[in-house]
Amino acid sequence: QVLESGGGLVQPGGSLRLSCAASGFILSTYAVSWVRQAPGKGLQWVSAISGSGGSTYYADSVKGRFTISRDNSKNTLHLQMNSLRAEDTAIYYCAKAEASGTGGFDIWGQGTLVTVSS
Amino acid sequence: SYELTQPPSVSVSPGQTASITCSGDKLGDKYACWYQQKPGQSPVLVIYQDSKRPSGIPERFSGSNSGNTATLTISGTQALDEADYYCQAWDRSTVVFGGGTKLTVL
Repeated sequence: QVLESGGGLVQPGGSLRLSCAASGFILSTYAVSWVRQAPGKGLQWVSAISGSGGSTYYADSVKGRFTISRDNSKNTLHLQMNSLRAEDTAIYYCAKAEASGTGGFDIWGQGTLVTVSS
Repeated sequence: SYELTQPPSVSVSPGQTASITCSGDKLGDKYACWYQQKPGQSPVLVIYQDSKRPSGIPERFSGSNSGNTATLTISGTQALDEADYYCQAWDRSTVVFGGGTKLTVL
């Protein structure tokens, strides 16, 4: 399973760092993504990191503001979010790619709520 | 940017078959997967690689993908299948989700 943390209330322009701790599997073995869901809205992919950690990918809406990284020694994934905007308000989920590598996410956390408001 | 289109809502009677479509340009050339999300809960993968079911997903869930359309089919729909369903695919190193379909069982 995975467990997200680090969400909270932040002012526009502020920063927040989310974490995703994995248990029961080695996070570095799999690609992992962050997916968010604004209140009452659908799922929106945010960012992904390859199993090796050598490749990172971002949605256009967060490119240049968010940075995904992993700490293999702690079996943890991070999302550094800078220059936050009201439209970044959402539940942020950490999601592990399933083993076939064909693109689905088979393990999701319970999510952590990020609220950007003054 | 690549887009996946789903109908906002689908209704089905208990015991009947529900079909939820997901349309995208040449979607059949990509792998599609489907998630079920109930209110207040995290998404659950119900179909991956177009038609495969993860362990623990009932056999009544099936999927197909050809041409421009992927389809999630729920046979013998039960009340507990009422939820939002999202399709998803990868396109050029980005993940794309459909807008979601609310399945109502009535």
